Amino acid sequence: GQQVMQIPQYQHVQEGEDFTTYCNSSTTLSNIQWYKQRPGGHPVFLIQLVKSGEVKKQKRLTFQFGEAKKNSSLHITATQTTDVGTYFCVEAGANSKLTFGKGITLSVRP
Amino acid sequence: NAGVMQNPRHLVRRRGQEARLRCSPMKGHSHVYWYRQLPEEGLKFMVYLQKENIIDESGMPKERFSAEFPKEGPSILRIQQVVRGDSAAYFCASSPAWGDSEAFFGQGTRLTVV
Repeated sequence: GQQVMQIPQYQHVQEGEDFTTYCNSSTTLSNIQWYKQRPGGHPVFLIQLVKSGEVKKQKRLTFQFGEAKKNSSLHITATQTTDVGTYFCVEAGANSKLTFGKGITLSVRP
Repeated sequence: NAGVMQNPRHLVRRRGQEARLRCSPMKGHSHVYWYRQLPEEGLKFMVYLQKENIIDESGMPKERFSAEFPKEGPSILRIQQVVRGDSAAYFCASSPAWGDSEAFFGQGTRLTVV
């Protein structure tokens, strides 16, 4: 898979605030996967999106795949300290090979 | 069903020694991937293996690094004559199928070269 861009690399929010992050590609993606890595931990799969415009929800997390399949978003409602970590969006390419960027590291002020 | 098991969790080696990192995929998974992560960086793909076969080693350094996934036993990532720049977290992931399926990561081996 190609590397998908995530900007900025760091974001800080106050607990209870909403948080949205985006990832973008210059070319059409076949799919997008989101992973979360807690500090000192390992990446954990969150979700996979495949269809144009697809929206999936997991409790306070909402994932969306753009209509053109060139971008994706992650929205967290009412952030909690347990949301702290680095979120990666990746495309699973041929052979399920994942090409990670630096992700976005979220910190939450209690 | 145990997850992906990596050992050791922490490994300290002196420069010039060999490091051997082991990974047992989830039960039923025949696809194994190795990634390396430097502090505050994303994970860099190293190698993709299936049982007894290296499928894609495009991310492996040309020298000192090798990987195998034998018919029996865990996958091994071997680093010969380690240097300080090899210090990193090495993650193994496994997946059940060909194609765009999710990857299950182990807890990683933190290698420190002194």
